[in-house]
Amino acid sequence: SQELEQSPQSLIVQEGKNLTINCTSSKTLYGLYWYKQKYGEGLIFLMMLQKGGEEKSHEKITAKLDEKKQQSSLHITASQPSHAGIYLCGADTNAGKSTFGDGTTLTVKP
Amino acid sequence: GAVVSQHPSRVICKSGTSVKIECRSLDFQATTMFWYRQFPKKSLMLMATSNEGSKATYEQGVEKDKFLINHASLTLSTLTVTSAHPEDSSFYICSARGGALGETQYFGPGTRLLVL
Repeated sequence: SQELEQSPQSLIVQEGKNLTINCTSSKTLYGLYWYKQKYGEGLIFLMMLQKGGEEKSHEKITAKLDEKKQQSSLHITASQPSHAGIYLCGADTNAGKSTFGDGTTLTVKP
Repeated sequence: GAVVSQHPSRVICKSGTSVKIECRSLDFQATTMFWYRQFPKKSLMLMATSNEGSKATYEQGVEKDKFLINHASLTLSTLTVTSAHPEDSSFYICSARGGALGETQYFGPGTRLLVL
């Protein structure tokens, strides 16, 4: 089965700093999703990547999928307290379902 | 973007009672809905996949008689936790996808269940 490993598990940064979260798959990714979740709430869809080398940006968040399609990174530039939360990567399996990483908890200190 | 709602957002019930959780896609037709369970500081665990008009497909280890899923229309799926026990206390999240939205899943806000 496809497994997603996220690193780091948690991250504390000072407001204004940049940060990167990684998501590594044991198998080739056919669809990689990034979500943000606030504790006790639902998931907010951020971005979807499908092609090797693809990169997408939304406001100050950029996500990339490597050429081999086994690793994705989420980069936040000039972090703000509003970026705090849990970031989850998810991937489609060939069974038409999704599998998720364990999440990265981001704390942004003002 | 697509909106998925869940009701109730929180529910407290006594052990032995049944609880129904609703998941609705508000602005799109959801051909497929998924039910997840999330434990504290853990990722989502898929419980079952629900396709409109057909029986749900349960993941291994999930009791279908305990977690009844009904997907009666393209905008509504329900999860009923029957004879709930304290160990069923958890955060339940649904997601939906379908139509022009492609394969992206859109998630509901979740339902926190506490069984006393």
